[in-house]
Amino acid sequence: AQTVTQSQPEMSVQEAETVTLSCTYDTSENNYYLFWYKQPPSRQMILVIRQEAYKQQNATENRFSVNFQKAAKSFSLKISDSQLGDTAMYFCASIKYNTDKLIFGTGTRLQVFP
Amino acid sequence: DVKVTQSSRYLVKRTGEKVFLECVQDMDHENMFWYRQDPGLGLRLIYFSYDVKMKEKGDIPEGYSVSREKKERFSLILESASTNQTSMYLCASSLWASGGNTGELFFGEGSRLTVL
Repeated sequence: AQTVTQSQPEMSVQEAETVTLSCTYDTSENNYYLFWYKQPPSRQMILVIRQEAYKQQNATENRFSVNFQKAAKSFSLKISDSQLGDTAMYFCASIKYNTDKLIFGTGTRLQVFP
Repeated sequence: DVKVTQSSRYLVKRTGEKVFLECVQDMDHENMFWYRQDPGLGLRLIYFSYDVKMKEKGDIPEGYSVSREKKERFSLILESASTNQTSMYLCASSLWASGGNTGELFFGEGSRLTVL
């Protein structure tokens, strides 16, 4: 069975600094996707970034990038130049290729301070 | 602007009441999901549906049922609410993964249910 582990319940960072959120996963599959989702306070969850497991190159979306270590089954999210609007719960998730059910981690609450 | 709309943001119900949580999506997605979100537990899948009138149990289906009579609408039903069902409920939709899609979920804003 797939599992996703986020070992940091809470993190904080000062505005304009860089922060890294950790995620590890366990799967026996060769083909899968990994995601980071963001849930701002009282707002809906949205996709931040996606990584295909067969791609060695780390995904990047503007200030958000991942460090995907397939052998170590690690998938961390780096937020550069943190902004107040980055304050949110962040969930790591995985899905087997050609299936429809995401498996989520327990989340990391990120607070960005001015 | 694509949307997943949940009918109620906040509900307060009494133990034993029947509770309906409604979710509508306007993206013509095949898949719809109901998750429960609790602090420290993340998101846990209750039920999902991959087509009209089709449903599959998720990880925590006990005490819940679902209905999908139309493609755009997916309802979560608590037949007899209990205090341990106090939680945030999130609805989501997605395209079929077998169509080459990556399984990205689109979420509603959530329904916070309190059972007294």
